Amino acid sequence: DTGVSQDPRHKITKRGQNVTFRCDPISEHNRLYWYRQTLGQGPEFLTYFQNEAQLEKSRLLSDRFSAERPKGSFSTLEIQRTEQGDSAMYLCASSLDLGSLHFGNGTRLTVT
Amino acid sequence: QQQVKQSPQSLIVQKGGISIINCAYENTAFDYFPWYQQFPGKGPALLIAIRPDVSEKKEGRFTISFNKSAKQFSLHIMDSQPGDSATYFCAASNQVLKGAGNKLTFGGGTRVLVKP
Repeated sequence: DTGVSQDPRHKITKRGQNVTFRCDPISEHNRLYWYRQTLGQGPEFLTYFQNEAQLEKSRLLSDRFSAERPKGSFSTLEIQRTEQGDSAMYLCASSLDLGSLHFGNGTRLTVT
Repeated sequence: QQQVKQSPQSLIVQKGGISIINCAYENTAFDYFPWYQQFPGKGPALLIAIRPDVSEKKEGRFTISFNKSAKQFSLHIMDSQPGDSATYFCAASNQVLKGAGNKLTFGGGTRVLVKP
């Protein structure tokens, strides 16, 4: 399978803990996007990278959130001091330049 | 501010019928309008997309109609099948704006159930 891969698929954590998610994009894709999707809603844009450069961050991305794409390949999204409101599906997508976005199957985060 | 409004929230259609989902946008700078299909536990998958220089695009049983003056676009699923039961999202982006990437703004989704 050469699609977008996300790990883990599910994460349950206690409030206040830190969590980190990983995304492996389609290998030739230079752009990588993070979205958040809550139940019954459409995905909301969080941030995106072109190669290793983070070019835009949404206002949704508070200072507890940080994303990296150190070598322009895989990316990590870290949430520090998790809150119950962080519970959501975190989706990663990749594209080649302005081509269509290909999404992974997401990481479902539950904060208890 | 919700920039892409989608309706209805849910839809039930008989097998063989036509499913119609509508979206309206506010930002006139949007120039790319895709539709995504999402099954439970999966990420969204691109179905079909349109740009504002055409009024209609058809791929198999899926058709997008686009009305630039009304700032509306819709998805028609012809001959709906039980396997089409999923949540559908419209989206929009501005690809021309420098640095915008292909950042998509999604509608709220429509849950479609096709009854056999």
